[in-house]
This record gives sequence, structure tokens and C-alpha cells, in this order.
Amino acid sequence: KQEVTQIPAALSVPEGENLVLNCSFTDSAIYNLQWFRQDPGKGLTSLLLIQSSQREQTSGRLNASLDKSSGRSTLYIAASQPGDSATYLCAVDNYGQNFVFGPGTRLSVLP
Amino acid sequence: EAGVTQFPSHSVIEKGQTVTLRCDPISGHDNLYWYRRVMGKEIKFLLHFVKESKQDESGMPNNRFLAERTGGTYSTLKVQPAELEDSGVYFCASSQPGQGSLETQYFGPGTRLLVL
Repeated sequence: KQEVTQIPAALSVPEGENLVLNCSFTDSAIYNLQWFRQDPGKGLTSLLLIQSSQREQTSGRLNASLDKSSGRSTLYIAASQPGDSATYLCAVDNYGQNFVFGPGTRLSVLP
Repeated sequence: EAGVTQFPSHSVIEKGQTVTLRCDPISGHDNLYWYRRVMGKEIKFLLHFVKESKQDESGMPNNRFLAERTGGTYSTLKVQPAELEDSGVYFCASSQPGQGSLETQYFGPGTRLLVL
């Protein structure tokens, strides 16, 4: 059974800092991994999708990496801004089965 | 406690036909979300209900998609007429609003739609 964990559970940084969020999964036989952001009372916003054959994906200030063999993914946020404050979730897709979400990392970027 | 349920689990239809997907949220959850994963691509947000009201429908792809949540309980998502590119998995999630913070969304198993 796939299990997904995220570290840290919460993170508070001053504006402008670069930061890394971590996602770990127990079963490396994944189809893809997706990073989302969640704001209170809103639907999940897709940030990046990494296929199992890829090593990383970039979008603006965001960079996500994937190391399937070690069961890890990282989300790198460059030059953080207060608007980045949200909870960041990773979700692992296991070949046709339902996807599994991590518990999330709550990020606060202080002005 | 029963989780989020979706019906049907699979649907195969021809282009031009109509399909209606149903989602039953966890009892008492005011928030209901629809998401879609087109084949091999990312899961994307479609819309959000708070009780029977549409809070955010910015993710709905076009006017062939109609979502309703009469009475604030179950929701339906109708695609009419269906096109080939509508094939994918449609997920529903529900949550109870948190107190000024994040609420956990509970996902259903999804409906796999194939348009031929």
C-alpha cells in the first residue's frame, strides 16, 4: 500500500528566501507525481506534474524533482513571496489506481 | 462513516452523446469539488460548490459541462454533447470548512469516462 509523507509539516520563512519542500513515498512503482497548492476554502491548484520517466519539471519560480528509486520528490521555491503562503500537497499516482496524497506542508512567507 | 462515492465507476459513450456523473459527498460536508484528469496529464480543478451554490467554476472547460448540486447534497456533472477530448477520470472531493485554516479534502474513487 502506497504511503506518502511530507516534511516539514509547517515552515515559516522571511520573504525572498529559497526553500525546499520534501515528499516521500514508499512504493516506487508510480505513474506520476503531482504537486498542488491548497488555499483555505479553495480547490486544489495544480503546480507541477512529473511523469515517472522524468527527473524534474520547472514552472516559473518552482522546480520539482523526482527520484523514483529513492521514493522522493522535492519542490523548490525560489525567491519566496507572501503570496506563496499556502499548503503544498504532493500526490502520487499508482498506475490506474487512485492517487495518494501526502499530508501537506503549510508554508508561511512573512513580509 | 461512508466516504465520498461516485457513480458510475466507468462510462463508455460515443461522441455526441450525453453523460451524467454523480458524486455523493461525505454526509454533512458543505464543500464539494470536481476535478478532472485527462489521460496521462495532471489532475485539474473544475469547480467548487459550497452547499448548493457554485463558489468557483473557473476550471470548467466550456459550456458543454454543467454541474449542479440541488439541495446541497449530491452533485451531478453533465457533459453534453461529449467530445473525444473529454475522456479521462473525473474525481469528486468533499470537505467541511475549517476554522480559518485548511480543510482536508476527501476524494472519491473517480469515474473513468471514455468517449469513442
